[in-house]
Amino acid sequence: AQTVTQSQPEMSVQEAETVTLSCTYDTSENNYYLFWYKQPPSRQMILVIRQEAYKQQNATENRFSVNFQKAAKSFSLKISDSQLGDTAMYFCASDPSNTGKLIFGQGTTLQVKP
Amino acid sequence: GAGVSQTPSNKVTEKGKYVELRCDPISGHTALYWYRQSLGQGPEFLIYFQGTGAADDSGLPNDRFFAVRPEGSVSTLKIQRTERGDSAVYLCASSDGNTGELFFGEGSRLTVL
Repeated sequence: AQTVTQSQPEMSVQEAETVTLSCTYDTSENNYYLFWYKQPPSRQMILVIRQEAYKQQNATENRFSVNFQKAAKSFSLKISDSQLGDTAMYFCASDPSNTGKLIFGQGTTLQVKP
Repeated sequence: GAGVSQTPSNKVTEKGKYVELRCDPISGHTALYWYRQSLGQGPEFLIYFQGTGAADDSGLPNDRFFAVRPEGSVSTLKIQRTERGDSAVYLCASSDGNTGELFFGEGSRLTVL
């Protein structure tokens, strides 16, 4: 079965510090997409960053970057210069079939403390 | 509107009742997805449409669940004979099919008493 695992149910970080959220996945596909989504209390899932598996270069979006280790099937998210607005639930997801049929992890609740 | 719109935002119903949840995707998006998110969990795929047809309905848990998208735009998720275990947030997303990015709505929270 294709799975996504987030082993950190809760994380906290001081404002302006850096935090890394972990994610591992399992797929037999060779070409797939990986995502990190943010879900604030409003419930709307917001795309943070996306990685295409065939690209070796790690994706970066402003303060957000990933460490993609394809052989290890690891896809961690680093948030630099954490801001209070980053407080939310973060979900790692894979799209093994490239159809938008996402497989989500269990989520990590991140709290940024002032 | 500019984003994915879902109605109702919250729905409370009694066990055994019929429920409809509506999703209005971003204009022009050909792909539409339904996911279910139980409390404290990640979303789980239910069904997705390309245009009017259901391209993959493998995530629907049983035959009480059904979804339609008759004109290739708005979609309705229908749940018959609701059970307490159906209580969850039902998320809808749409995609233009080119970038691979899904745009989500704010979900419909269903509570079955």
